Amino acid sequence: GAGVSQSPRYKVAKRGQDVALRCDPISGHVSLFWYQQALGQGPEFLTYFQNEAQLDKSGLPSDRFFAERPEGSVSTLKIQRTQQEDSAVYLCASSLGRRSNYEQYFGPGTRLTVT
Amino acid sequence: KNEVEQSPQNLTAQEGEFITINCSYSVGISALHWLQQHPGGGIVSLFMLSSGKKKHGRLIATINIQEKHSSLHITASHPRDSAVYICAVRTSGTYKYIFGTGTRLKVLA
Repeated sequence: GAGVSQSPRYKVAKRGQDVALRCDPISGHVSLFWYQQALGQGPEFLTYFQNEAQLDKSGLPSDRFFAERPEGSVSTLKIQRTQQEDSAVYLCASSLGRRSNYEQYFGPGTRLTVT
Repeated sequence: KNEVEQSPQNLTAQEGEFITINCSYSVGISALHWLQQHPGGGIVSLFMLSSGKKKHGRLIATINIQEKHSSLHITASHPRDSAVYICAVRTSGTYKYIFGTGTRLKVLA
């Protein structure tokens, strides 16, 4: 079956541009996570959705970052007025349930380079 | 001090060796995950633990909640095990995950 997909896989943006990154979770998965992974580092939590509700956005680094999941399936992470420090791989993961004992399935990531 | 620390950061082993990767955390957790990331590749979940021990093939993961410590063991290591292994914890009462910086494993033939 299909796993988690993300698009685009690679994005180059000029500083100041807005970008939108898409995540298609596994069908029926309730939980959706966004993470940011800088080169050589572990992922860092950005935000969490349970169905369409954004229950935790404590990891979003600034108000330039915005995420949504309006129908409880596809999610979009938007970054406004991109800065060079936004360059990273953005990972999406989904899991079947709400509780922590459900396995997370990761997408391949979107590599964002801000020039 | 990072809330999740892994050791070693880098590890080179000969094929067939027994490997141990450690993870210590300083926060209350509801679950701990071990993940594998291949260079340029995606992340795969290996184990999810809230207590005790789990085994899958040549991989064994243990957790000691009182000591806030987990280990990932690889028996009879193989070059295809070469990857970055990452420990991640879900903090108690939240949906937030905190990740270690990973252990880069290289297994030589």
